[in-house]
Amino acid sequence: EAQVTQNPRYLITVTGKKLTVTCSQNMNHEYMSWYRQDPGLGLRQIYYSMNVEVTDKGDVPEGYKVSRKEKRNFPLILESPSPNQTSLYFCASKREPSDTQYFGPGTRLTVL
Amino acid sequence: GENVEQHPSTLSVQEGDSAVIKCTYSDSASNYFPWYKQELGKRPQLIIDIRSNVGEKKDQRIAVTLNKTAKHFSLHITETQPEDSAVYFCAASVRGKSSGDKLTFGTGTRLAVRP
Repeated sequence: EAQVTQNPRYLITVTGKKLTVTCSQNMNHEYMSWYRQDPGLGLRQIYYSMNVEVTDKGDVPEGYKVSRKEKRNFPLILESPSPNQTSLYFCASKREPSDTQYFGPGTRLTVL
Repeated sequence: GENVEQHPSTLSVQEGDSAVIKCTYSDSASNYFPWYKQELGKRPQLIIDIRSNVGEKKDQRIAVTLNKTAKHFSLHITETQPEDSAVYFCAASVRGKSSGDKLTFGTGTRLAVRP
């Protein structure tokens, strides 16, 4: 089954404790992105990747890091999480720029 | 960068009526405009998209129109049904090999269809 998976689905952590949210897709897609969703603000793009070892900033990259060492994986790293990073995070992938973008199930992160 | 504004933030219609959601964008270079539907507790899903070389696109009860001159685009849902109740997001981006893959979303419209 073609899908985008994220782990963990739910995470409660404390300020300053490094964490990684994993994202994996099995569709051999070139393009992958991370978004955060906050009430009243919609979805905002954090980082995107157009291929292995090619990543770039979206609209809200501060406080986040990403890597794309393999085509299928695109982890999101929070080196020192802060409470303002409490949000719902979605990973997404697609084959080409104008192709349908498939979202993962989301990761709800709470930073205390 | 690109700025996308979406209105209204909430919309309530009677089943069978039409619903219209409007978005404006700021970057005249934007050439790809997708619409996503997000049901409660679910992930966003693409429902329709339009490219700047097209003025209108239809898919059954859903249509999208684009006015490049005015830099606005709209989603039209006809004969609404209760299962259309969801949050709808518009988005805009510049598509091209050298344009990266930035996608800017509107803030969403919560549509409620009353039976």
